[in-house]
Amino acid sequence: GAVVSQHPSRVICKSGTSVKIECRSLDFQATTMFWYRQFPKKSLMLMATSNEGSKATYEQGVEKDKFLINHASLTLSTLTVTSAHPEDSSFYICSATGTGEVQPQHFGDGTRLSIL
Amino acid sequence: GQNIDQPTEMTATEGAIVQINCTYQTSGFNGLFWYQQHAGEAPTFLSYNVLDGLEEKGRFSSFLSRSKGYSYLLLKELQMKDSASYLCAALDSNYQLIWGAGTKLIIKP
Repeated sequence: GAVVSQHPSRVICKSGTSVKIECRSLDFQATTMFWYRQFPKKSLMLMATSNEGSKATYEQGVEKDKFLINHASLTLSTLTVTSAHPEDSSFYICSATGTGEVQPQHFGDGTRLSIL
Repeated sequence: GQNIDQPTEMTATEGAIVQINCTYQTSGFNGLFWYQQHAGEAPTFLSYNVLDGLEEKGRFSSFLSRSKGYSYLLLKELQMKDSASYLCAALDSNYQLIWGAGTKLIIKP
């Protein structure tokens, strides 16, 4: 149980392109979804937290107009990297938690984004 | 401030036992998680401790001492596939997860 699917797994695109990443909870309802960024050999960096039906809460230093997050349903959240540039190249990972007071975060497989 | 400390890297031998320590300082505490992350992959959930003591799950066990702000992950009968980073994360009073930088575990034959 507690499977999170993230798509696509890898994206290579030109500078200026907008890229959408989907995160789906397959067998549970995700009340909260998280978006992380990870640089090579570094720890996870939380970008934003989103609750279904409400605006995402962004961490300090993360541009909300650059990284658009939509959590339209209890099973789907999307992250759109708008007008991506080479410095946006990174490993983006989503996670989701179910209902209940304390739930572990279950992670998607991540998306490796490369901007040329 | 909030802080998680764990060793950067550890090396162990196949078949042996290794203990990865984690100390935490958080505003309030609602439990501690351990995750495993293989290179180039996303983390996978290993364990959650909120009460003092040892939780055993097969070859992996996790221990927590709330009074000491300390946890460890114990891996027994090490296998080559256990080579990965192990992330310690504490849940603070706002139920925000504070992540450690991870411990890279290298298993040698």
